[in-house]
Amino acid sequence: AQSVTQLDSHVSVSEGTPVLLRCNYSSSYSPSLFWYVQHPNKGLQLLLKYTSAATLVKGINGFEAEFKKSETSFHLTKPSAHMSDAAEYFCVVSDPGGGADGLTFGKGTHLIIQP
Amino acid sequence: DGGITQSPKYLFRKEGQNVTLSCEQNLNHDAMYWYRQDPGQGLRLIYYSQIVNDFQKGDIAEGYSVSREKKESFPLTVTSAQKNPTAFYLCATEPGTSSYNEQFFGPGTRLTVL
Repeated sequence: AQSVTQLDSHVSVSEGTPVLLRCNYSSSYSPSLFWYVQHPNKGLQLLLKYTSAATLVKGINGFEAEFKKSETSFHLTKPSAHMSDAAEYFCVVSDPGGGADGLTFGKGTHLIIQP
Repeated sequence: DGGITQSPKYLFRKEGQNVTLSCEQNLNHDAMYWYRQDPGQGLRLIYYSQIVNDFQKGDIAEGYSVSREKKESFPLTVTSAQKNPTAFYLCATEPGTSSYNEQFFGPGTRLTVL
């Protein structure tokens, strides 16, 4: 069985300061990991994905995440927050065997950007 | 959102009514999914289909039904048996050729029971 835990339901940062959204996972296999972003009343958009290549993954809009197997973590970071980053972020883990049962979503982290 | 359309964007239902949410895709993806999203609960899987004329129940299928008569279309019916249907509903697709389960999402339909 696999699971994913987003450690913060809400994160608030000031514009121009670094962003850190934390995600821990558990998986019996070598997982694929994703971060998605959702703006209000919109669908989810893929930010980045880890698929067993480089452990430091760069995504869109300046976000990146580092896969740390020893810590079972996949935290999302950005050096400098922008007002447009305010949204809900989801960490997702996937069983490499595929199929719908292999995709598990975290409960989400709401990112608030203070001006 | 590109390539996946959901309609309507907002839907209001009276208690006891069945309503159908549309999901259409032009990405030629094999698999399609329906998720329900409630505040603070992330996404929960309702139904999924990996090929035409076949579909499987997800974690919260009770009170919902689907069909997959065409590859492009995967409509979701919310029946009167669903006691608390007010939520945001998301349709997603998956290529079927990827071993990584990357999914692509539509813009969503917000259903409100009056």
